[in-house]
Amino acid sequence: DIVMTQSPDSLAVSLGERASINCESSQSVLSTSNNKNYLAWYQQKPGQPPKLLIYWASTRESGVPDRFSGSGSGTGFTLTISSLQAEDVAVYYCQQYYDSRRTFGQGTKVEIK
Amino acid sequence: EVQLEESGGNLVQPGGSLRLSCAASGFTFGNYAMSWVRQAPGKGLEWVSLMSGSETMSYYSDSVKGRFTIYRDSSRNTVYLQMNSLRAEDTAVYYCAKDGVVRGVFDSWGQGTLVTVSS
Repeated sequence: DIVMTQSPDSLAVSLGERASINCESSQSVLSTSNNKNYLAWYQQKPGQPPKLLIYWASTRESGVPDRFSGSGSGTGFTLTISSLQAEDVAVYYCQQYYDSRRTFGQGTKVEIK
Repeated sequence: EVQLEESGGNLVQPGGSLRLSCAASGFTFGNYAMSWVRQAPGKGLEWVSLMSGSETMSYYSDSVKGRFTIYRDSSRNTVYLQMNSLRAEDTAVYYCAKDGVVRGVFDSWGQGTLVTVSS
């Protein structure tokens, strides 16, 4: 299985400041056939199911605010919230879909400082 | 509007069995793979199982392989998870999740159903 490792486990950021979450995969999730990274990001708020934010490592899902952005390739990826809002307090997960046996990172909790 | 509604969660003793259901609506069921993803209390997400839209392929995590079986009933637009030989570590909220247009990405989720394995 492809192991996904996120860092940090938690971070506290002031309102309006930038938050960055890293995700590393144990093997590359970049397909040489289409040059796409099979990496998605989700947001989960307490008591709710996860919500898709980004796929193909950097493509925002429809309706997701543009303060959320994804970057990276191969085995290293980053989710960035450019200006943290109160409603962004949540746990964020990366997920690979390169392999049919899909795997998630352990999650990163984002809080307000 | 896509809707996924899980049911079947319950308290069960170790070694017991349980069947979860996920009723789907708002999309062409047979066109999309469906997965089960679980979340133990206070923990992260763990992908459990997947079945393709065509029902020809299924996959399992190592933690449930040989104990859990996923299957679909296209006449009822429902996906099931048969769970046998349950263990305490299977205690979790089980979510049903639908693949998006991008295969492998979960674009819709149910609200989840709680399975508790305890004596």
